[in-house]
Amino acid sequence: AQSVAQPEDQVNVAEGNPLTVKCTYSVSGNPYLFWYVQYPNRGLQFLLKYITGDNLVKGSYGFEAEFNKSQTSFHLKKPSALVSDSALYFCAVRDRTSGGSYIPTFGRGTSLIVHP
Amino acid sequence: NAGVMQNPRHLVRRRGQEARLRCSPMKGHSHVYWYRQLPEEGLKFMVYLQKENIIDESGMPKERFSAEFPKEGPSILRIQQVVRGDSAAYFCASSPLLLRERDTEAFFGQGTRLTVV
Repeated sequence: AQSVAQPEDQVNVAEGNPLTVKCTYSVSGNPYLFWYVQYPNRGLQFLLKYITGDNLVKGSYGFEAEFNKSQTSFHLKKPSALVSDSALYFCAVRDRTSGGSYIPTFGRGTSLIVHP
Repeated sequence: NAGVMQNPRHLVRRRGQEARLRCSPMKGHSHVYWYRQLPEEGLKFMVYLQKENIIDESGMPKERFSAEFPKEGPSILRIQQVVRGDSAAYFCASSPLLLRERDTEAFFGQGTRLTVV
């Protein structure tokens, strides 16, 4: 089974500073990777995905992610953090279940807190 | 085009009662996925359905839980004889195509927060 790991439960950054939320993956074959964001009491919103092509993927709200095959990582980045970016961020990989279906498998999530 | 709609947003049930959670996928989406989010944990896949068919229920508990996606109407996740451990946020997602298609992602609803007292 494919999996993703988010090594940090929480990331703190000052507003205006660059932010990075880490994700590493373990897959066989080509990885299909995703980032989602969850604001308090809301559902998940899709941010970006990597399927193939350029290693730097640009997504919504100024976020981008860098696919690094040698390090098996897909870190989420933003050049300048906003207080409104404070939320829970999930990395996901397309996985195949024991039942044979392809579904997103999620990491445990990283809480991003941006301080004014 | 409205997003994935889930209702109710919040549901309180006493132990032993039944909980019914509803999910209307985005227009044009025929694939529905249910996930459960427990406190301090990520989202865990439960079941994948298409219209009138359960495609994959490998993540769903064998007892008390069931799901359906009828020809007409929303998808329903049903939990019988709820226990405190069922308290969680339940999310529904939909996609227009099979997720093995390369350019497809799943769109999520706002979730139903079930509290069992």
